[in-house]
Amino acid sequence: DSGVTQTPKHLITATGQRVTLRCSPRSGDLSVYWYQQSLDQGLQFLIQYYNGEERAKGNILERFSAQQFPDLHSELNLSSLELGDSALYFCASSVATDLSYNEQFFGPGTRLTVL
Amino acid sequence: GDSVTQMEGPVTLSEEAFLTINCTYTATGYPSLFWYVQYPGEGLQLLLKATKADDKGSNKGFEATYRKETTSFHLEKGSVQVSDSAVYFCALATFSGGYNKLIFGAGTRLAVHP
Repeated sequence: DSGVTQTPKHLITATGQRVTLRCSPRSGDLSVYWYQQSLDQGLQFLIQYYNGEERAKGNILERFSAQQFPDLHSELNLSSLELGDSALYFCASSVATDLSYNEQFFGPGTRLTVL
Repeated sequence: GDSVTQMEGPVTLSEEAFLTINCTYTATGYPSLFWYVQYPGEGLQLLLKATKADDKGSNKGFEATYRKETTSFHLEKGSVQVSDSAVYFCALATFSGGYNKLIFGAGTRLAVHP
């Protein structure tokens, strides 16, 4: 158990809908990262928050957004869903942002299926 | 830009066989290098890391040496077990575009049979 929790574990929805994925980082970790893992794209970095503020953006679509709340949990919002958004979404956390020396701990993921 | 290339899978081995999964990287500067493992139905876990040239990372019988001259970080294990069946990701940590990030390879699936 990494200490990072994600809910829900599975999510099935229809095209055009909107969903929210939730992540609670390890106790003491200030940085939260979101990744998308799909068969054709591999593991793609989406966005990072540090202590409530957006720190970095990766390959995140405009239909997707995220935020980190004062208690440090984070939510990833996916809207106008398309079939191609079906994937595993991982949250990871770390104490600080220097990844050379601060390990990222990954949650178990949320499997999103868009029908 | 920075990138990681690792050998395509799946790799299928018998128990107690020797394992090598190749990983090469392209990066400016001297990134830290990592191997992550993803067991079925779980998130990624850090397996081992090396932060500078000639460093050897090791954990659970796995080893990888940071080779700057060949820009490689190959994963090895002398005797694999069925429980090692998983997907293995090579990654590097870099600072670019104004932020620190991990860049992952495509992953290599390992299947070990009794």
